[in-house]
Amino acid sequence: GAGVSQSPSNKVTEKGKDVELRCDPISGHTALYWYRQSLGQGLEFLIYFQGNSAPDKSGLPSDRFSAERTGGSVSTLTIQRTQQEDSAVYLCASSLGEGRTQYFGPGTRLTVL
Amino acid sequence: AQSVAQPEDQVNVAEGNPLTVKCTYSVSGNPYLFWYVQYPNRGLQFLLKYITGDNLVKGSYGFEAEFNKSQTSFHLKKPSALVSDSALYFCAVRDHTGANNLFFGTGTRLTVIP
Repeated sequence: GAGVSQSPSNKVTEKGKDVELRCDPISGHTALYWYRQSLGQGLEFLIYFQGNSAPDKSGLPSDRFSAERTGGSVSTLTIQRTQQEDSAVYLCASSLGEGRTQYFGPGTRLTVL
Repeated sequence: AQSVAQPEDQVNVAEGNPLTVKCTYSVSGNPYLFWYVQYPNRGLQFLLKYITGDNLVKGSYGFEAEFNKSQTSFHLKKPSALVSDSALYFCAVRDHTGANNLFFGTGTRLTVIP
């Protein structure tokens, strides 16, 4: 079956611009996660959605980062006023529910010039 | 706080030889442990997990991992390495007491030499 998909695969932007990254989870998966993979920090948790519950935003590094999940499916991660340190691969994962195995998308490589 | 350590940044092994990628963890309570593999320009692929039960867990592509509670380790193993196993391997832990995200190690790059 179809896995987690993410778009765009690559994004180059200028410092100060806003970007939106999209994630389509596996159909039927109620849990959705965003992670960031960067050279200096490894893989970091950003935000978690479970069903209609309020998201767990504890991993977001600053208030420039936000995410939403519409209709319990597609999610968008928005980074406002991008900085060079935001350059990383942003990975989305979904699972059947809380605590279940997470399956990852291919990621979006963000480069901030 | 949860944490995962992968002490080796790089592991080289000859094709056909057994391989081991090391992982130790620190977590309150019983851990849920995972191994993922990342091929170039690809996302993370799930290999295997330990939740409870047998300490030896078998996963995809012939990989297995052994949970050792006394040593707080979850080393990844394969009896005979293939060149195609060359990739970046991540160990991760989830605290079963409620946190839902994964805490990842820094990754180990495995190179299998023909």
